[in-house]
Amino acid sequence: IAGITQAPTSQILAAGRRMTLRCTQDMRHNAMYWYRQDLGLGLRLIHYSNTAGTTGKGEVPDGYSVSRANTDDFPLTLASAVPSQTSVYFCASSDSLNMAGMDTQYFGPGTRLTVL
Amino acid sequence: AQSVTQPDIHITVSEGASLELRCNYSYGATPYLFWYVQSPGQGLQLLLKYFSGDTLVQGIKGFEAEFKRSQSSFNLRKPSVHWSDAAEYFCAVGARNTGNQFYFGTGTSLTVIP
Repeated sequence: IAGITQAPTSQILAAGRRMTLRCTQDMRHNAMYWYRQDLGLGLRLIHYSNTAGTTGKGEVPDGYSVSRANTDDFPLTLASAVPSQTSVYFCASSDSLNMAGMDTQYFGPGTRLTVL
Repeated sequence: AQSVTQPDIHITVSEGASLELRCNYSYGATPYLFWYVQSPGQGLQLLLKYFSGDTLVQGIKGFEAEFKRSQSSFNLRKPSVHWSDAAEYFCAVGARNTGNQFYFGTGTSLTVIP
């Protein structure tokens, strides 16, 4: 059982460059999420998708974009990376049976991104 | 707006000692509450969750948590800590009226000393 995979594991990126973080799940979950984790700030939601074809903004969406072309994939794109986007990024998914905040989330192993 | 506060940034306990990690939430209605654990270099794993009913919830790895509405708290407990419990612990709240958005606390780092 693979669950959620993320790629790359880590990346060092020059400021101004474009970067796409990949996330794939094999659990056929409807909902997917992107979080960033920063020391002292915990996890903050960047974007989410309740179902394929729909996306929504989370707490810290600026500078990021997502797409959800199918159930399994939920890439996160930084169009022009800035140093403040240095963070650990986690993708997650949930069954979203009732979309009422009750679902268990399953997390990927994370991507460590450094923007210089 | 929903929010979660974990007052303790870091806690150190001896192996075999009891543990309590604090979590306070702010939400207008009955919240959906979760505790997740993150081992070093790993993603988060669900320990337990509370939706309704019995206010004492049992989870995996011998953890339990008690929902206290009067104190807006959902503290995590374990009667006897093992060295393998050393990790980062996150409390989270799910919001009924915002779909699947979740709000995480800032985490509590647990160190277990022999």
